[in-house]
Amino acid sequence: DGGITQSPKYLFRKEGQNVTLSCEQNLNHDAMYWYRQDPGQGLRLIYYSQIVNDFQKGDIAEGYSVSREKKESFPLTVTSAQKNPTAFYLCASSGPLNSPLHFGNGTRLTVT
Amino acid sequence: AQSVSQHNHHVILSEAASLELGCNYSYGGTVNLFWYVQYPGQHLQLLLKYFSGDPLVKGIKGFEAEFIKSKFSFNLRKPSVQWSDTAEYFCAVNGGNTDKLIFGTGTRLQVFP
Repeated sequence: DGGITQSPKYLFRKEGQNVTLSCEQNLNHDAMYWYRQDPGQGLRLIYYSQIVNDFQKGDIAEGYSVSREKKESFPLTVTSAQKNPTAFYLCASSGPLNSPLHFGNGTRLTVT
Repeated sequence: AQSVSQHNHHVILSEAASLELGCNYSYGGTVNLFWYVQYPGQHLQLLLKYFSGDPLVKGIKGFEAEFIKSKFSFNLRKPSVQWSDTAEYFCAVNGGNTDKLIFGTGTRLQVFP
C-alpha cells in the first residue's frame, strides 16, 4: 500500500540534543511538508520541499533543518536552538500542484 | 503573506443540528481552498477542495463549502450533523501557483447523541 511513514511514533530527548524525525513516502510525490501541531494553534508549516534537492522555509523554520536528497525521504532535524520543541510533528506529501496532502501518522516529540 | 482564520475554536452540537464553521483567508491573488478533517486517533484527511468554477463545492459525508470571494471566506456547512462527525476541522489555503499550504488553527466539533 502507498503511504507516508513517520518514525518513531513517540520520541523522547534531553534538552540540548539534536533529534531527527524520519519521513518516507512511496507515493512518488514531488512535494513534501513538515508541520507542527500544537493545541489551539492548528498546523504550522515548518519546511516544505517541492522537488529533490530544494526546500523552502515555512512560517516557523527557526531551530529546524531539513534535507531532501531523495524523492522518497524528507527528514526533519529539531536542533537545540528550537526553544519549544515538544510537540506533535506531521509529515505530508502531495502530487501535482494543488493536489491534496497525504499525511503521515505523526511523531510526538517530548524534550525534557 | 497568506493566512487563515478560523474563529470557532470549539463547537458543541446535538445530532441533527445544522453546522457552519467559519473560515476566512488573507491572500491577494488566486487561491485554492481546502477543508481537512481529523477524526479522533486518525490522521488528517481531505474533506473537500475548491480550485475554480462553481463556488459551492460538495465533499464527503454530506459536507459542503461555499467560496465567497468578496468576503474572503470559505465556510463549511452540513445540514444535519451526526455523532460520527465529532472531529477537528481545519481550513487551509495556498496561492494559485505554489505548493505552500497554510492551515487555520482548527475547530473542534463535538456532537452529542
